[in-house]
Amino acid sequence: EVQLVESGGGLVQPGRSLRLSCAASGFTFKDYAMHWVRQVPGKGLEWVSGINWNSANIAYADSVKGRFTISRDNAKNSLFLQINSLRVDDTALYYCAKDRLEQRDYFYGMDVWGQGTTVTVSS
Amino acid sequence: EIVLTQSPGTLSLSPGEGATLSCRASQSVSSSYLAWYQQKPGQAPRLLFYGASSRATGIPDRFSGSGSGTEFTLTISRLEPEDFAVYYCQQNGNLRLTFGGGTKVEIK
Repeated sequence: EVQLVESGGGLVQPGRSLRLSCAASGFTFKDYAMHWVRQVPGKGLEWVSGINWNSANIAYADSVKGRFTISRDNAKNSLFLQINSLRVDDTALYYCAKDRLEQRDYFYGMDVWGQGTTVTVSS
Repeated sequence: EIVLTQSPGTLSLSPGEGATLSCRASQSVSSSYLAWYQQKPGQAPRLLFYGASSRATGIPDRFSGSGSGTEFTLTISRLEPEDFAVYYCQQNGNLRLTFGGGTKVEIK
């Protein structure tokens, strides 16, 4: 079964840092681009960042550029999101998602999603 | 950044009726890079269409996608009870993905 399991969320004070993780199983992780997407409760989806299969192409939403860093460890089938200088408006459910096509330089949509990990930024 | 505007914001319909959801892009989007997702309360999104009109695995054929350039449409021919949800379009141009604001299809 293809599965993505996020972890690392929690309650954190503004200005602090957090590292989210996503453990992948059931598919050849190293061959697929991966993404982070967030959703404020009751609001829409916001793509945060993506990384292609070999880490050659990495992209961020303008709203997080400079504070968020995406990375992957293909040997450990894991995706990460380092979040620095957390702000109240970073509060959201963070989803990890798998890209649809393998070994591509670009992104083609997300066909597998995790259940998300909640980040709450509050003093 | 390409902005996607979905309309209407909410669609109130009865089971058995048809639904037409619109997604308009601020600049031309290659059809290859336009996707639609369905999200039900408490669940992660599910991919419905990629390449504007290609159904993802397991999506029933009452769902159809169409469009090109800056205008894209998701059509549900006859709404089933499980189709009431929020629908999002998404584009992925130049490695920067963006989602539309969503259309909620609710039971009238």
